[in-house]
Amino acid sequence: DTEVTQTPKHLVMGMTNKKSLKCEQHMGHRAMYWYKQKAKKPPELMFVYSYEKLSINESVPSRFSPECPNSSLLNLHLHALQPEDSALYLCASSPGDRSTDTQYFGPGTRLTVL
Amino acid sequence: SQQGEEDPQALSIQEGENATMNCSYKTSINNLQWYRQNSGRGLVHLILIRSNEREKHSGRLRVTLDTSKKSSSLLITASRAADTASYFCARGPYSGAGSYQLTFGKGTKLSVIP
Repeated sequence: DTEVTQTPKHLVMGMTNKKSLKCEQHMGHRAMYWYKQKAKKPPELMFVYSYEKLSINESVPSRFSPECPNSSLLNLHLHALQPEDSALYLCASSPGDRSTDTQYFGPGTRLTVL
Repeated sequence: SQQGEEDPQALSIQEGENATMNCSYKTSINNLQWYRQNSGRGLVHLILIRSNEREKHSGRLRVTLDTSKKSSSLLITASRAADTASYFCARGPYSGAGSYQLTFGKGTKLSVIP
């Protein structure tokens, strides 16, 4: 299984809502990533988890809260978002053993904040 | 910014023609990767070239790397309509505990006309 799954595919939320994005992989990877991608722009790294520990937070606002409950799951909790947070949110994973820095991406969640 | 520059930003070719995309970067690298992204979807890893390699092939893909010029190129031969996508180069430092902090170039949007 070389797939990273993300749910939901689409999400529309108001600025006062609380929602969560979910990412799952069953490749035994120990590094997982959240990226944000605005239209016609490249993905930008938000968070990195290594062995279920947050290792990198790229100065992301606190209205985005990541969580890694176990080695297969990665969540991104959203609260009090702004319209400018509308974007494609991509999850990725990599082995975590320095064998390769290739990352495997999920299909993304298209988020619209009203 | 560590983002590289890719050119052209957009490329439109006829099916069967070759497509060449270029990527430049500013910092030293251990390797450079190329990813493909179909419209609004996740990224797919295409090929990785290490800093001690000058050229690498994978099917219809040919990647070159010139570390003295800090540039790489991706050649897609005998293009097909299914190659229509955005192509990104990516590189990044090892960020510890088996994870890598990828930075993506701005991307080239390739359109292959049947």
